[in-house]
Amino acid sequence: AQTVTQSQPEMSVQEAETVTLSCTYDTSESDYYLFWYKQPPSRQMILVIRQEAYKQQNATENRFSVNFQKAAKSFSLKISDSQLGDAAMYFCAYSNYGGSQGNLIFGKGTKLSVKP
Amino acid sequence: NAGVMQNPRHLVRRRGQEARLRCSPMKGHSHVYWYRQLPEEGLKFMVYLQKENIIDESGMPKERFSAEFPKEGPSILRIQQVVRGDSAAYFCASSPRGENSNQPQHFGDGTRLSIL
Repeated sequence: AQTVTQSQPEMSVQEAETVTLSCTYDTSESDYYLFWYKQPPSRQMILVIRQEAYKQQNATENRFSVNFQKAAKSFSLKISDSQLGDAAMYFCAYSNYGGSQGNLIFGKGTKLSVKP
Repeated sequence: NAGVMQNPRHLVRRRGQEARLRCSPMKGHSHVYWYRQLPEEGLKFMVYLQKENIIDESGMPKERFSAEFPKEGPSILRIQQVVRGDSAAYFCASSPRGENSNQPQHFGDGTRLSIL
């Protein structure tokens, strides 16, 4: 069975600095999808970024980028120029599918604090 | 608001009562997923449904829990004879089918269930 591990329960970053959140996963599949979701105190689940395993190029979305190391089964999220609004729980997730037809497997999350 | 709609936002029940949680998927989405989030945990998959059909219920507890997604109306997650351990946030997600089936799941704001 697939598993997702986030080893950092909490992280802190100074406003405008860069922070990296770690995620490792385990799977025997060769093709799959990885996600980072953000959950602010309002409890919404907001998709931050998505990576397709067959693509070697790391995904980027504005200030958010990932470091995808397929052989190491590592999928870290880098947040550049951190803003106060980035403070939230961040969940790494895995799926055998891009969206439909399959469930997401989540890690336990990393709580990110941003200091002004 | 064309997003995934969940209601109620908060639900309080006494032990032994029934809880019904509703989810209306995004317009054009025909796949619905239910997840449960216990305090300090990530989301755990419960069930995946299409209209009038349960596709995967591998995450559903064997007793007291059921889900449906009728031809007309919202998807319902039903918990009978609730116990304290059912207290959690329940999230619904939806995704499209067909040529857009590679799109990621979109989440509702969740229902927080509290058992007295």
